Amino acid sequence: SQQGEEDPQALSIQEGENATMNCSYKTSINNLQWYRQNSGRGLVHLILIRSNEREKHSGRLRVTLDTSKKSSSLLITASRAADTASYFCATGDNTDKLIFGTGTRLQVFP
Amino acid sequence: DTGVSQDPRHKITKRGQNVTFRCDPISEHNRLYWYRQTLGQGPEFLTYFQNEAQLEKSRLLSDRFSAERPKGSFSTLEIQRTEQGDSAMYLCASSSRGDEQFFGPGTRLTVL
Repeated sequence: SQQGEEDPQALSIQEGENATMNCSYKTSINNLQWYRQNSGRGLVHLILIRSNEREKHSGRLRVTLDTSKKSSSLLITASRAADTASYFCATGDNTDKLIFGTGTRLQVFP
Repeated sequence: DTGVSQDPRHKITKRGQNVTFRCDPISEHNRLYWYRQTLGQGPEFLTYFQNEAQLEKSRLLSDRFSAERPKGSFSTLEIQRTEQGDSAMYLCASSSRGDEQFFGPGTRLTVL
């Protein structure tokens, strides 16, 4: 079953704008990860944030984690057409498996 | 190629037939995972191996499903007596540390 919900389900923006997507989850976690999936393909790991971290950056990506609210956000700055994809959050606990959210479909128009 | 590979990429079968998928993980990774993804949803965990030991199976994995990793390297996922509800993308992933997972391109199964 899915761990939680992602919001929004779909997002359309112009190139150069920032994109923010949110993820909520239900249980205790060790880490939270974000993955990107281009249409009909496998997932690509973007960034991992551990439960004792509050914010992490990687290039144009910024992830925040609020364990008290069981939520995370992914910010993509200065978006590009190539960022068009589905984005999933996934939580990891002490069992090694990942529990994925429902995903946000991002469309970036040139 | 050092990525995770899956074979076949696409499989069309008739209801009631058996199918087998193969996953080759990144060579130094001791953990291997199987997930299933249906249209518009996130991947759902099926099972995972550490070396050749199958450590966890989801309740989604009915008796018709079986997975093996006989020598701790490649893995196979078999579905017996396929049903239309088995139609999905089957994803394999591997990792070395149990956190970041590297995914293969998936096998898309269509059951007619």
